Amino acid sequence: DQQVKQNSPSLSVQEGRISILNCDYTNSMFDYFLWYKKYPAEGPTFLISISSIKDKNEDGRFTVFLNKSAKHLSLHIVPSQPGDSAVYFCAASDDNDMRFGAGTRLTVKP
Amino acid sequence: NAGVTQTPKFQVLKTGQSMTLQCAQDMNHEYMSWYRQDPGMGLRLIHYSVGAGITDQGEVPNGYNVSRSTTEDFPLRLLSAAPSQTSVYFCASSYRAHYGYTFGSGTRLTVV
Repeated sequence: DQQVKQNSPSLSVQEGRISILNCDYTNSMFDYFLWYKKYPAEGPTFLISISSIKDKNEDGRFTVFLNKSAKHLSLHIVPSQPGDSAVYFCAASDDNDMRFGAGTRLTVKP
Repeated sequence: NAGVTQTPKFQVLKTGQSMTLQCAQDMNHEYMSWYRQDPGMGLRLIHYSVGAGITDQGEVPNGYNVSRSTTEDFPLRLLSAAPSQTSVYFCASSYRAHYGYTFGSGTRLTVV
């Protein structure tokens, strides 16, 4: 069973606009949530994380929002840039292991 | 500063052959794990280790063995390769499961 779900396989946005990537999870034991970015032929790279005791975390153009009651998190990228085009993975951890979603391919058009 | 090094980058196996995917990290990370990436499935956890001498199973452990004799190395063994094991394999390490992982560049394995 997939405990972390990214229901949108792809997303296309215009340069300069906001990108919103969504993620849902089912395991209430998860208490740490992360986003990774992956370019073709490379390993994923860590982008931003949030602890379950927070509902928002910002790092430059990237903001992650967590809604624990809905078991939902989202990644906002503002403004989006063509270099942001990649596959984004949502991940969740219970301090034992880390589970990943299927990924969302973001395309930012110039 | 190598980070996480995976070898080989590419491998073709025949059904029934065995092989070991190597993973080494130089960051003194206690936590290491192996994932496989398949289209539409994302990254699925195969095995993980919280320190030398300790390993545990993830979501899809069948057909794979691991050992952790040192902090630096975490090899993944395929005992009898099957076409269903055709995938891209990633090794990752971290100080602990909660922290952002450092991933290797992956091994693309094809079983024919």
